Amino acid sequence: GNSVTQMEGPVTLSEEAFLTINCTYTATGYPSLFWYVQYPGEGLQLLLKATKADDKGSNKGFEATYRKETTSFHLEKGSVQVSDSAVYFCALGTNAGKSTFGDGTTLTVKP
Amino acid sequence: GAGVSQTPSNKVTEKGKYVELRCDPISGHTALYWYRQSLGQGPEFLIYFQGTGAADDSGLPNDRFFAVRPEGSVSTLKIQRTERGDSAVYLCASSSGTSGGARGTDTQYFGPGTRLTVL
Repeated sequence: GNSVTQMEGPVTLSEEAFLTINCTYTATGYPSLFWYVQYPGEGLQLLLKATKADDKGSNKGFEATYRKETTSFHLEKGSVQVSDSAVYFCALGTNAGKSTFGDGTTLTVKP
Repeated sequence: GAGVSQTPSNKVTEKGKYVELRCDPISGHTALYWYRQSLGQGPEFLIYFQGTGAADDSGLPNDRFFAVRPEGSVSTLKIQRTERGDSAVYLCASSSGTSGGARGTDTQYFGPGTRLTVL
């Protein structure tokens, strides 16, 4: 079946540091890939997505590129802020409608 | 505009009892999903609806779990004979379904969840 593996956390960075959160997947067919974010006390919300190979999703300074050859969708940001502290989930979706999520990576950014 | 809402926000029940969890999707969204999230884990798919019908219920753990969406809008997740292992946050999400139905490319909009505690 489909699966998503995320870099284990927690991750602690200083403000303005570079962020990478690794995500790899296993899926049949051609899934869409997503990063969702959950800020403290809030619900899950979409951060970015990519629907086909080599697409780059971007939002709020975050980027991720759909790499079919390495089955990866790593999340990056060049300069993190304290307000980026949250839990980040990588997920894949298939034409069957069902989504599979990773276990989440907790990011804490210190001033 | 109004997002996805879920009620109650918290539910505490005793082992063996019956519970119902409600989800109000974004108006006009044809696809609706239920997930379960345990502490320290990502959401685990339970079931999704396209309109009134359950298009995929393969994630329901056993026959104690059942969900309905009779008019294609509000959905209720029903759990019979609750067990302590059912304790989790139950999340609902909806999507527009514009990509030919509930497709993997659709963005899902999540509700705040219902925290279920079974004592």
